[in-house]
Amino acid sequence: QKEVEQDPGPLSVPEGAIVSLNCTYSNSAFQYFMWYRQYSRKGPELLMYTYSSGNKEDGRFTAQVDKSSKYISLFIRDSQPSDSATYLCAMRSEGAAGNKLTFGGGTRVLVKP
Amino acid sequence: NAGVTQTPKFQVLKTGQSMTLQCAQDMNHNSMYWYRQDPGMGLRLIYYSASEGTTDKGEVPNGYNVSRLNKREFSLRLESAAPSQTSVYFCASSDRSGFYSTIYFGEGSWLTVV
Repeated sequence: QKEVEQDPGPLSVPEGAIVSLNCTYSNSAFQYFMWYRQYSRKGPELLMYTYSSGNKEDGRFTAQVDKSSKYISLFIRDSQPSDSATYLCAMRSEGAAGNKLTFGGGTRVLVKP
Repeated sequence: NAGVTQTPKFQVLKTGQSMTLQCAQDMNHNSMYWYRQDPGMGLRLIYYSASEGTTDKGEVPNGYNVSRLNKREFSLRLESAAPSQTSVYFCASSDRSGFYSTIYFGEGSWLTVV
């Protein structure tokens, strides 16, 4: 079983809808949680970063972490066609050697105009 | 703003051939990484270098070697390429200091082994 599980999608939504993405994980040592966005044929780019439990909001994006359930979420409000991409969750433990990250498999999102 | 630069972007190899993927970062980061990305498997760590002069195996190191040439450069070598090594390879770097230290990726290298 993978340490981090993520539904591969694709997730297709109409423009303006809320996109809801999530990951589950098994390693209780994970403390730092990230969401990366990856456009087709490009490298992943950091989108959101949270530490431990709680919510973080940045413009149209909200990241939530529930450590008790080992579950993290990313919400995209007022979705735009430019949000069409693959979204990868990533996480690491405190003091991880070399800041190594463990990634989910990614969810492909398609926002239709 | 070059960030992380990797070459080549595309390469086709025959089984048994060798090649080296080059990576350089200009952010003065201490740590560098090589990941591979396969459909349904996400990003998997091949090797990493926590600091200049050190290298360590990641999740899928078999069939690969690495060299941390200096603080800027980290290369990945396939000594005898196999079709199972067909993948997209990403180099990345990270500054270990700072609370929000995280990883920045290059644009990727598409490798096909036939």
